Amino acid sequence: AQKITQTQPGMFVQEKEAVTLDCTYDTSDQSYGLFWYKQPSSGEMIFLIYQGSYDEQNATEGRYSLNFQKARKSANLVISASQLGDSAMYFCAMREMDSNYQLIWGAGTKLIIKP
Amino acid sequence: NAGVTQTPKFQVLKTGQSMTLQCAQDMNHNSMYWYRQDPGMGLRLIYYSASEGTTDKGEVPNGYNVSRLNKREFSLRLESAAPSQTSVYFCASRLIFSGNTIYFGEGSWLTVV
Repeated sequence: AQKITQTQPGMFVQEKEAVTLDCTYDTSDQSYGLFWYKQPSSGEMIFLIYQGSYDEQNATEGRYSLNFQKARKSANLVISASQLGDSAMYFCAMREMDSNYQLIWGAGTKLIIKP
Repeated sequence: NAGVTQTPKFQVLKTGQSMTLQCAQDMNHNSMYWYRQDPGMGLRLIYYSASEGTTDKGEVPNGYNVSRLNKREFSLRLESAAPSQTSVYFCASRLIFSGNTIYFGEGSWLTVV
C-alpha cells in the first residue's frame, strides 16, 4: 500500500494565485515527520518545510505553509502568491519513528505557473 | 558553499559495464544516503550510512554496492550495469540531532544501453 499519496500528477496555476498541493500519508506510528521538497528542472532537491506529528501549529516558511490535518492524515503544501520560479516538481515525504531517517516519498506533483 | 557534490553528472554505460558514483559532503554530516529517482516515482532509498564505518541496505539495494570511505565520502558502485538501472541518482546527507533538513546533491543522470 502507498504510504505517501500525491494525487495531482500536474497542475497549472496562474501567477500570483495561491496553490495547494495535496499529500496524504499512511502510518501507524504516533511519532513521525512530514516534509516537502521542491525539485526544479535543474534536478536538485530543495527542502521547503517540515511538520512534526506532535507540532500543534501548522508549519510556515515564508510563502510556504503546511496544512496539517492529523485526523485526516493529510499534509498539504500551500504556496501563497505563486511566482514563475515556483514551477517545479514538488515531493511530499514522511519519516517514521526509528526509521533512521529513511524518508518515504510520494510520486510528486509537477507545478507549472502561468504568466 | 559546496554542500553535497556528486560526480559524474551524466554517464552512459553499456550493459555489463561497471562504474562508481562519487559523493562528498563538506558539512561534517554523520549520515549519508543514496537514492534513485525514476520517472513518475518518488525517490527510493538504495543504501544509507548512518555514520562513518556503517552501511545498510535501503529499499532497492540489488545490483549496487556502497563504500563509506570516510566521514565526507560515500560512493555507490554498479558492478554490472543493467538497463533497469537507468535512473537519476541522488546522494544526500544529514547531521543527526541537528534538525530535520536533509541535503541533496544535484543528481547524476545514468543511462545504461
